[in-house]
Amino acid sequence: GQNIDQPTEMTATEGAIVQINCTYQTSGFNGLFWYQQHAGEAPTFLSYNVLDGLEEKGRFSSFLSRSKGYSYLLLKELQMKDSASYLCAVERAAGNKLTFGGGTRVLVKP
Amino acid sequence: EPEVTQTPSHQVTQMGQEVILRCVPISNHLYFYWYRQILGQKVEFLVSFYNNEISEKSEIFDDQFSVERPDGSNFTLKIRSTKLEDSAMYFCASSHPTREVNTEAFFGQGTRLTVV
Repeated sequence: GQNIDQPTEMTATEGAIVQINCTYQTSGFNGLFWYQQHAGEAPTFLSYNVLDGLEEKGRFSSFLSRSKGYSYLLLKELQMKDSASYLCAVERAAGNKLTFGGGTRVLVKP
Repeated sequence: EPEVTQTPSHQVTQMGQEVILRCVPISNHLYFYWYRQILGQKVEFLVSFYNNEISEKSEIFDDQFSVERPDGSNFTLKIRSTKLEDSAMYFCASSHPTREVNTEAFFGQGTRLTVV
């Protein structure tokens, strides 16, 4: 089976940093994706981790520990437009389906 | 920038009717997918399609559902005899310009299906 857990909701202040954790237990692993989803819209790609370590992409960074089944997404210098849901998703094999967590809704306050 | 396009953006249908949701994946991608998201819930995998056939399907994707790639560009999801619980946002996605390169899946803007 597959189990992907992430917190339901987080609140942070504009300009601050927020870390969204994701733990997973899957029968196979090819990579972990983070997507951003604004209400009523499609998920949009943020980052992809295959190997252990940190991937940095502007204000967003993502970390992966395969041995621990753990990832986090770090959002720096938060802006109001970052208020959205952040979805953690695991791919078991290349071209395979994505299995999504329930998403973490981040609310950025002024 | 290439994108996945879906039509219609909204569809309202009577219970028991058939609907066809249409998608045009990114032209050089090899893998195509349908996902759905019931309001307030997580994104759920329905089916993946590669090399003109279904490569994987979830337990949700029963005989009520079918997919087709009728020509070189369109990818459709047909839902027969719709039920109230089929109301959801349906997302099409595509990925992988080649089999060897790992890439992200690109999602279309979705079709909001409402069954009344």
